[in-house]
Amino acid sequence: QKEVEQNSGPLSVPEGAIASLNCTYSDRGSQSFFWYRQYSGKSPELIMFIYSNGDKEDGRFTAQLNKASQYVSLLIRDSQPSDSATYLCAVNIGGRESGGYQKVTFGTGTKLQVIP
Amino acid sequence: GAVVSQHPSWVICKSGTSVKIECRSLDFQATTMFWYRQFPKQSLMLMATSNEGSKATYEQGVEKDKFLINHASLTLSTLTVTSAHPEDSSFYICSAETPGHRRADTQYFGPGTRLTVL
Repeated sequence: QKEVEQNSGPLSVPEGAIASLNCTYSDRGSQSFFWYRQYSGKSPELIMFIYSNGDKEDGRFTAQLNKASQYVSLLIRDSQPSDSATYLCAVNIGGRESGGYQKVTFGTGTKLQVIP
Repeated sequence: GAVVSQHPSWVICKSGTSVKIECRSLDFQATTMFWYRQFPKQSLMLMATSNEGSKATYEQGVEKDKFLINHASLTLSTLTVTSAHPEDSSFYICSAETPGHRRADTQYFGPGTRLTVL
């Protein structure tokens, strides 16, 4: 089983719609969760991080975390063509507070296409 | 804040030569930097973790003698691909850790270096 799993897509949504991106992880000890956006040929850009169960909102983006289900999602409201990119879910397994080695594992990413 | 630069942004070299890639944190001190490799349409694969003043920690399957990492200062880490071969052609990305984000040590990525080995 992969440590971080995402549907590769592509996920196509019309402009103005809500895009929902999902991610599951295998390690129950995971502490922090990240969403990165990566445009083709570019490096990832951090969009949001979340570490508590529930929702975290930042502008058009909402991250949702459910540790019991080992599930994290990213909602993009009012999707724009400029949101078309690959979205990478990343999970921090063993953070500083545990005294352990900080390592972030990435999923393979979901390609999002926003259709004008 | 949290800007990471890489140099060069792209490089083409002949098989058998060595290539050095620099990663710098411009506006913060990074005690830990990470080196990733990304092949086309694949996710980032962590190659090694670089801690300032100590030896890098390599992931399983990554040859430490081939991918030399030096983290001599709090703002600079270098990756040297020695005796590069065409299969080393990839997108190499570094990131720097910014501790202190309330339990979420975030990583900020450099713009990446596209390596093509002929």
